[in-house]
Amino acid sequence: QVTLRESGPALVKPTQTLTLTCTFSGFTLDSSGMSISWIRQPPGKALEWLARIDWDDAKHYSASLKTRLTISKDTSRSKVVLTMTNMNPVDTARYYCARTVAVAGVPSDYWGRGTLVIVSS
Amino acid sequence: DIVMTQSPDSLAVSLGERATINCRSSQSVLYNSNNKNYLAWYQQKPGQPPKLLIYWASTRQSGVPDRFRGSGSGTDFTLTISSLQAEDVAVYYCQQYYRGLTWTFGQGTRVEIK
Repeated sequence: QVTLRESGPALVKPTQTLTLTCTFSGFTLDSSGMSISWIRQPPGKALEWLARIDWDDAKHYSASLKTRLTISKDTSRSKVVLTMTNMNPVDTARYYCARTVAVAGVPSDYWGRGTLVIVSS
Repeated sequence: DIVMTQSPDSLAVSLGERATINCRSSQSVLYNSNNKNYLAWYQQKPGQPPKLLIYWASTRQSGVPDRFRGSGSGTDFTLTISSLQAEDVAVYYCQQYYRGLTWTFGQGTRVEIK
């Protein structure tokens, strides 16, 4: 079955770089039409889409965070990594990864449980 | 980025009654080449990740009860819960996922029991 799991530090200091890993199973990211997205949600607030990487290694970023984000994939190890530079307390949120099947028009059908990241000195 | 605006921010509906949530995009999400609207609806319950309910504006995801219906085209969309059940209490989000653009969510609508 399809599963995704986010991992990374629970606490980062302001100005540090955050590195998050999405480890997935049940599908392969090199299948045409497959993608992985990152989405975050500050406590009690709305979802915010961050980035997506496609099966052909195309990358897409939120316009407001583009300069701080980098997404990459390691298809052989079924992992997608998101880095976010210059972390700030407003970046405190639960970070989710989710699968997209673009060829079927399905945006995010499977999600991980998310990982909570707190930015504090 | 396309801006997604939901209304209302919250609503309270009696059990068995209809709940209607609206979503408007700042530009059309209708892809003319395939006549598909790249608009999805999600349900999020406390402590859980979002669950995909509807994609392509009106296609129910497998396993979603048929009391959930998506409609609309272009820039204006609606999610209707025809007969609200206790388990439908949640926050609902619309999302545009237009091809070739960055994706965005609405601010969410909280549905409660009156």
